[in-house]
Amino acid sequence: DQQVKQNSPSLSVQEGRISILNCDYTNSMFDYFLWYKKYPAEGPTFLISISSIKDKNEDGRFTVFLNKSAKHLSLHIVPSQPGDSAVYFCAATSSGTYKYIFGTGTRLKVLA
Amino acid sequence: DAGVIQSPRHEVTEMGQEVTLRCKPISGHNSLFWYRQTMMRGLELLIYFNNNVPIDDSGMPEDRFSAKMPNASFSTLKIQPSEPRDSAVYFCASSPMGWNQPQHFGDGTRLSIL
Repeated sequence: DQQVKQNSPSLSVQEGRISILNCDYTNSMFDYFLWYKKYPAEGPTFLISISSIKDKNEDGRFTVFLNKSAKHLSLHIVPSQPGDSAVYFCAATSSGTYKYIFGTGTRLKVLA
Repeated sequence: DAGVIQSPRHEVTEMGQEVTLRCKPISGHNSLFWYRQTMMRGLELLIYFNNNVPIDDSGMPEDRFSAKMPNASFSTLKIQPSEPRDSAVYFCASSPMGWNQPQHFGDGTRLSIL
């Protein structure tokens, strides 16, 4: 039972264009969402998060959008850079719990 | 500022041997997490400590797995006896107190059981 799903295993984007990574969840109790980036042979690195009281959070080139009614979030990277090539995981959690549920990841490749 | 430090980075051992993975969390972080990443199951939480006390070990697969946190700066995950299906990358993460504090991950231990 996958509570957090990333349906696109991979994505290729040209340098300078927008990358959009998607994530769907099923548990309506989730109220905090995070995106992590992972390079090979390294641990996941926190990128950006969003609380369910917001529908958008922006940090430089990275913006996360949350659509609660659709139980969907997305990460936008603008403009995409070759250094953004990595695996991106979304994660979800509920208030009062420290347990993150991770998606299976999307491998982003930014082409120079 | 040092991040989460895990050792060893790689471990290859034979089935039946005891394996001990080590983790040093970020100083000042109250929460510590052990995860396992496999192709089949992705990244899954094994156990969570808060202030050195195990809070949730529901993800520990079976009695062969045990984890300890004797002090705020050190934790171990032990597998005894090890089996080939335990082969995976094991991550340790830590975070400050507070449910919306992001977890910071170490670089993992790649474990291969032959």
